[in-house]
Amino acid sequence: AQSVTQPDIHITVSEGASLELRCNYSYGATPYLFWYVQSPGQGLQLLLKYFSGDTLVQGIKGFEAEFKRSQSSFNLRKPSVHWSDAAEYFCAVGAGGGSNYKLTFGKGTLLTVNP
Amino acid sequence: SQTIHQWPATLVQPVGSPLSLECTVEGTSNPNLYWYRQAAGRGLQLLFYSVGIGQISSEVPQNLSASRPQDRQFILSSKKLLLSDSGFYLCAWRKRGSTDTQYFGPGTRLTVL
Repeated sequence: AQSVTQPDIHITVSEGASLELRCNYSYGATPYLFWYVQSPGQGLQLLLKYFSGDTLVQGIKGFEAEFKRSQSSFNLRKPSVHWSDAAEYFCAVGAGGGSNYKLTFGKGTLLTVNP
Repeated sequence: SQTIHQWPATLVQPVGSPLSLECTVEGTSNPNLYWYRQAAGRGLQLLFYSVGIGQISSEVPQNLSASRPQDRQFILSSKKLLLSDSGFYLCAWRKRGSTDTQYFGPGTRLTVL
């Protein structure tokens, strides 16, 4: 079965600083990979996804992520963080065929942005 | 465009009372539907999913049940709530048969006292 690990429970950065959120997955084949963001009391919004092709994917709000098969990683990055980026971030892997296809989520990384 | 609704947005219920949370999707047909529960520090736990009317799969045995009486309606229920049922409940949908994006509703905050 697939699994997702987000090693950092909580990260604090200063506004304007760069950001990298880590995500490692476990799956035997090429996975479908996603990053979602959740503001307090809200649902999850898709930031970006990787299915195939270029391993560097661009998303909304200036985020990007790079798929590294050799490291089983899909880290999320942003060159300059804004105060509005404070939220919880979830990495997810989609795996399984047909009706068995499911998303498995990491436990999330809470991002705090200092002014 | 597609939209997903959940209600109520917040709910406070006593232990032992029944529960009914509703999720509806607009702008698509035959979606796969999902119920997740989110507890602090535990990420998202998939509770139920449905690939069609009346077809429910349970991921975790528990005090809850789900039903899909209509194509775009998904209901989460309980006959008697437990304290441990407190949490943030999220409904999601995905285009049937695809491995594409899963879209989430705004969620329901349930507090059991």
